[in-house]
Amino acid sequence: GNSVTQMEGPVTLSEEAFLTINCTYTATGYPSLFWYVQYPGEGLQLLLKATKADDKGSNKGFEATYRKETTSFHLEKGSVQVSDSAVYFCALSDRGFGNEKLTFGTGTRLTIIP
Amino acid sequence: GAVVSQHPSRVICKSGTSVKIECRSLDFQATTMFWYRQFPKQSLMLMATSNEGSKATYEQGVEKDKFLINHASLTLSTLTVTSAHPEDSSFYICSAISGRGSDTQYFGPGTRLTVL
Repeated sequence: GNSVTQMEGPVTLSEEAFLTINCTYTATGYPSLFWYVQYPGEGLQLLLKATKADDKGSNKGFEATYRKETTSFHLEKGSVQVSDSAVYFCALSDRGFGNEKLTFGTGTRLTIIP
Repeated sequence: GAVVSQHPSRVICKSGTSVKIECRSLDFQATTMFWYRQFPKQSLMLMATSNEGSKATYEQGVEKDKFLINHASLTLSTLTVTSAHPEDSSFYICSAISGRGSDTQYFGPGTRLTVL
């Protein structure tokens, strides 16, 4: 079956530091890959996605590249801000009609200190 | 666009009562909606998938008689927790897909259920 393995948290960084949150996956087909963010007290929001190998998703300064050879989708940001403090979830979905279920990683709690 | 709402945002109920949670897609028609449960500091666990006009598909280990799901229209799905007990206390989150073949889910803000 499908699975997502995500970097254990919590992660604490100083403002303007470089961020990497590792994510690797196991899937039988050619999944789409996602990063979702959950700010305190809120629901999940789609941060970025990539649908095929070598695609790069980007949003709000965050980037992740779909690496089929290493089955990875690591999240990066060059300079984090306090407002980036949240829980980040890596996820995948099998493509194809009727099979859009998301498989989530366990989430990584990120705290940015001024 | 692609906004999903949930109501209520918080509910407290007594043990043994039933609670209904609504999930609405506000600006699109949702052919498929999902219901998740999230425990504190943990990931989301998919409970069931519902398609408009048909019975929900439940994940293994989820009691379909306890968690009743109705997807009566393309913009509304409801989750009813029947005979709730303290162990049902959790954060329930719904999501919706805007069209068949789309794989981007839009999430509601969640409902915090506390059973006393």
